[in-house]
Amino acid sequence: ETGVTQTPRHLVMGMTNKKSLKCEQHLGHNAMYWYKQSAKKPLELMFVYNFKEQTENNSVPSRFSPECPNSSHLFLHLHTLQPEDSALYLCASSQGTGLAAQETQYFGPGTRLLVL
Amino acid sequence: DQQVKQNSPSLSVQEGRISILNCDYTNSMFDYFLWYKKYPAEGPTFLISISSIKDKNEDGRFTVFLNKSAKHLSLHIVPSQPGDSAVYFCAAKDLNDYKLSFGAGTTVTVRA
Repeated sequence: ETGVTQTPRHLVMGMTNKKSLKCEQHLGHNAMYWYKQSAKKPLELMFVYNFKEQTENNSVPSRFSPECPNSSHLFLHLHTLQPEDSALYLCASSQGTGLAAQETQYFGPGTRLLVL
Repeated sequence: DQQVKQNSPSLSVQEGRISILNCDYTNSMFDYFLWYKKYPAEGPTFLISISSIKDKNEDGRFTVFLNKSAKHLSLHIVPSQPGDSAVYFCAAKDLNDYKLSFGAGTTVTVRA
């Protein structure tokens, strides 16, 4: 148990559906992250929020829309996805996005997404 | 462009023996390195880290070695236990950035 929870754990959706992924952290952290992990590939950073403000959008297609209503919650809204978007979506949090060299990110269990 | 590489996708080792996982990086600005461990159906969990001012960091059965001139680090697990069977990710960052760059992972299987 890392203090970061994600729901749902599994999601199957059609290309025309709209769905949302939810992440919640109970660690009192100020920064939250969305990552995508495709099979046998490195984790790809998608979005970063620090104190509810988006500080990073790593050239993510607009069919992925993040929302961070407060420092404890992070959403990823999905709309008209493609089959190649099927992957494990991981949420993480850290104390902040400061330049502390030894900042550690804590990950949730992920949402396994399948787009048909 | 992948800045952190784990060239061995899998490793099989007998229980009680040493597991050695390797990681190479290309960005000379990286100065902090982490290893994460991931079980199926769980997210990655932090395992051990090392700063560039050191060449070795040890935590129980886990030791990370850093060779800055070769841009190479390794994780040693000794003795290996069945519970160590997991995917291990190498990650790196530089002092001027909060973002982590990850390798693709190495799947370790410890045989009884």
